[in-house]
Amino acid sequence: ELKVEQNPLFLSMQEGKNYTIYCNYSTTSDRLYWYRQDPGKSLESLFVLLSNGAVKQEGRLMASLDTKARLSTLHITAAVHDLSATYFCAVDETGGGADGLTFGKGTHLIIQP
Amino acid sequence: EAQVTQNPRYLITVTGKKLTVTCSQNMNHEYMSWYRQDPGLGLRQIYYSMNVEVTDKGDVPEGYKVSRKEKRNFPLILESPSPNQTSLYFCASSLLGPLSPYEQYFGPGTRLTVT
Repeated sequence: ELKVEQNPLFLSMQEGKNYTIYCNYSTTSDRLYWYRQDPGKSLESLFVLLSNGAVKQEGRLMASLDTKARLSTLHITAAVHDLSATYFCAVDETGGGADGLTFGKGTHLIIQP
Repeated sequence: EAQVTQNPRYLITVTGKKLTVTCSQNMNHEYMSWYRQDPGLGLRQIYYSMNVEVTDKGDVPEGYKVSRKEKRNFPLILESPSPNQTSLYFCASSLLGPLSPYEQYFGPGTRLTVT
């Protein structure tokens, strides 16, 4: 059974600081996704990581994937208040067929001015 | 505009009263899926469908039914809702690759309360 663990689950930080959210998963994966969810809203796709060593950046967010370590990171650079949200990683297991994604429990990020 | 829509967005009902939550997508996606989101548990898949008339159970299918009679629609049916089905429900859709679905697009969510 595929397990996906995110940490931390809760993070409060100040604007201007850097931080990293970690996503570990337990089996071989084809694809890894990062989603953002604002309170009361749906999930918005941030990044799709498809291969070992993949790195994607959008603004102050950068995601990377190390399939050998079964680890993805979401790095926040010089955080701003607008990035406050809950961030989920989701993993598609290699050979898992159409079972869909297995999600981590989410990281609730609060960025204080 | 490409989107996944769900209705209703909010629903309060009583135990045992059958209900249906509709889901529709306009992107011609083969793959559709239902998730429930509960505090501290993240999102868990209920059912999924790879195409018309093809559905299968996800991780938490008990108490739910689905149907896929048309490609664009994937309704979630609760025949006899119970309080433990109080949750936030998301429908998602994606293209289907040779091995598994691609990036999933999520609907706005349906908040269901069963009393």
